[in-house]
Amino acid sequence: DAAVTQKPRYLIKMKGQEAEMKCIPEKGHTAVFWYQQKQSKELKFLIYFQNQQPLDQIDMVKERFSAVCPSSSLCSLGIRTCEAEDSALYLCSSRRDWGGAGTQYFGPGTRLLVL
Amino acid sequence: AQSVTQPDARVTVSEGASLQLRCKYSYFGTPYLFWYVQYPRQGLQLLLKYYPGDPVVQGVNGFEAEFSKSNSSFHLRKASVHWSDWAVYFCAVRVTGGYKVVFGSGTRLLVSP
Repeated sequence: DAAVTQKPRYLIKMKGQEAEMKCIPEKGHTAVFWYQQKQSKELKFLIYFQNQQPLDQIDMVKERFSAVCPSSSLCSLGIRTCEAEDSALYLCSSRRDWGGAGTQYFGPGTRLLVL
Repeated sequence: AQSVTQPDARVTVSEGASLQLRCKYSYFGTPYLFWYVQYPRQGLQLLLKYYPGDPVVQGVNGFEAEFSKSNSSFHLRKASVHWSDWAVYFCAVRVTGGYKVVFGSGTRLLVSP
């Protein structure tokens, strides 16, 4: 099975602090996705990277988040100023290619709690 | 735009009984369809996937799903539920040639003894 690694597993921040979480995609995967999930409900798409370039992201990410994939083996998602509503599970996912039939694999997530 | 509806937020099944979790999709183009499972405090794991071809697809742990173009459905089934199947199940769709996967809101499966 493919393995996507995420660190840390748990993160606690005070309101107004900066947060950063990391993802190591499956080796050879060129497409990387970040999702936000609250209370085990639907996954909210945040941002998509293809070959380390951000190709799609929602407005919330543009305004308050920072996301980069400096190498094919490491991506990070940051929140510049945490708000209570940012408390959620952040899931990183990777796929071998962007439009083919490849399976999307998920990491275990980073659970962020903003106090 | 493609979308997925899981009409049942919660389903309770007795251990050993059969299971069906419903999924309705809408799409423009040829869909790839997926079922993922999320166990407590974990990420999502793929159960099975449908690519255009045989409408019935087999997955892991005895799960299967059937694609129906006429009903726009991709329901998940299992003949005999085990207590370890207690989890949240997500249906998802991706349009052929597209990059984005759209997920349903999930169905929480509870297994009673």
